[in-house]
Amino acid sequence: DAGVIQSPRHEVTEMGQEVTLRCKPISGHDYLFWYRQTMMRGLELLIYFNNNVPIDDSGMPEDRFSAKMPNASFSTLKIQPSEPRDSAVYFCASSTLYGYTFGSGTRLTVV
Amino acid sequence: GESVGLHLPTLSVQEGDNSIINCAYSNSASDYFIWYKQESGKGPQFIIDIRSNMDKRQGQRVTVLLNKTVKHLSLQIAATQPGDSAVYFCAVNFIAGGTSYGKLTFGQGTILTVHP
Repeated sequence: DAGVIQSPRHEVTEMGQEVTLRCKPISGHDYLFWYRQTMMRGLELLIYFNNNVPIDDSGMPEDRFSAKMPNASFSTLKIQPSEPRDSAVYFCASSTLYGYTFGSGTRLTVV
Repeated sequence: GESVGLHLPTLSVQEGDNSIINCAYSNSASDYFIWYKQESGKGPQFIIDIRSNMDKRQGQRVTVLLNKTVKHLSLQIAATQPGDSAVYFCAVNFIAGGTSYGKLTFGQGTILTVHP
């Protein structure tokens, strides 16, 4: 099992550009989560899906953020336009009811 | 609102000592608790979990204790090793509206440093 796979590992972009982060969950996991981690705010849940359907997006900071899960094996988190305050590590995690597994994260730097 | 917190932001121990990391939660309806370890540059890694129908669970060198009366969770690491140095997070699953699954909420984290 390759675990939760995120890409890219690192992303540096200029303010105003669109950024797309990608996640492949573990096969058979029916929940998928997007988290953001910063020193100031720790781990924040942005959105989560159950069976590809968004369940709770109350953590999405602004309309600039959007997430999709077109099928059980792929999800994207998009930021458009990006701003320097979006710089953080973004984690994807997948789970069954009791088995949460995190990916290695994407470190996003917006300059 | 709901919160999950840690009592100590940093913990320094000598190699071979036992470590105890604490966590408090606020929602008495919480039913599932997890400890994660995060090393620099990596994602949180599952260590051990416990459900609310238990008060103790043991793994390899780790033990999680749950005290539902005072809403407190602890992680005990026996014979701590330099490789245990990392940030440790507790995470809590809150029940909402009678459903058995809710979003996982993380504590702020404790930095554990193990000195050789």
